[in-house]
Amino acid sequence: DSGVTQTPKHLITATGQRVTLRCSPRSGDLSVYWYQQSLDQGLQFLIQYYNGEERAKGNILERFSAQQFPDLHSELNLSSLELGDSALYFCASSVASMTALNTEAFFGQGTRLTVV
Amino acid sequence: AQTVTQSQPEMSVQEAETVTLSCTYDTSESDYYLFWYKQPPSRQMILVIRQEAYKQQNATENRFSVNFQKAAKSFSLKISDSQLGDAAMYFCAYERDDKIIFGKGTRLHILP
Repeated sequence: DSGVTQTPKHLITATGQRVTLRCSPRSGDLSVYWYQQSLDQGLQFLIQYYNGEERAKGNILERFSAQQFPDLHSELNLSSLELGDSALYFCASSVASMTALNTEAFFGQGTRLTVV
Repeated sequence: AQTVTQSQPEMSVQEAETVTLSCTYDTSESDYYLFWYKQPPSRQMILVIRQEAYKQQNATENRFSVNFQKAAKSFSLKISDSQLGDAAMYFCAYERDDKIIFGKGTRLHILP
């Protein structure tokens, strides 16, 4: 158990809908990262938050947004869902930014999103 | 733009043998980090090994070691004495300024 909790584990929804994925980082970790893993694109970095503020952005669509709350949990909001958004969404957390020496990111078990 | 390429979608190795997973990347930067992550069937991502680009010495963690060739932009992972628990998807990743790029992964099968 990495200490990172993602809910829900599975989500099935229809095209055009909006969903929210939740991530609780390890106790004490300030950074939260979101990733999307799909069969054709592999594992892609979406966005990082550090202590409530957006820190880095990857290949995140405009239909997607995220935030990190004062208690450091994070939510990834996916709207106007398309079939191609079906993927495994991972959250990871670390004490500091990943470029800090000896900083390891711990991953949750992911949320499997299926858009039908 | 930076890219990470894992040219082997799947590999198999006999238990107790040695296997090398390939990874190449493209960047114009001189200072960055490289990682290998393991994703077992549990779906969690586990950090296997990390290499700082400014360090010439190859990183080693028990049975896992890397061959880091900076000029060639190559970062291969060697697993010695392969064990059944090593069966997983392995991702190579490049990171700089908190942006991480992953390869598409190599699925490793361990044959008993």
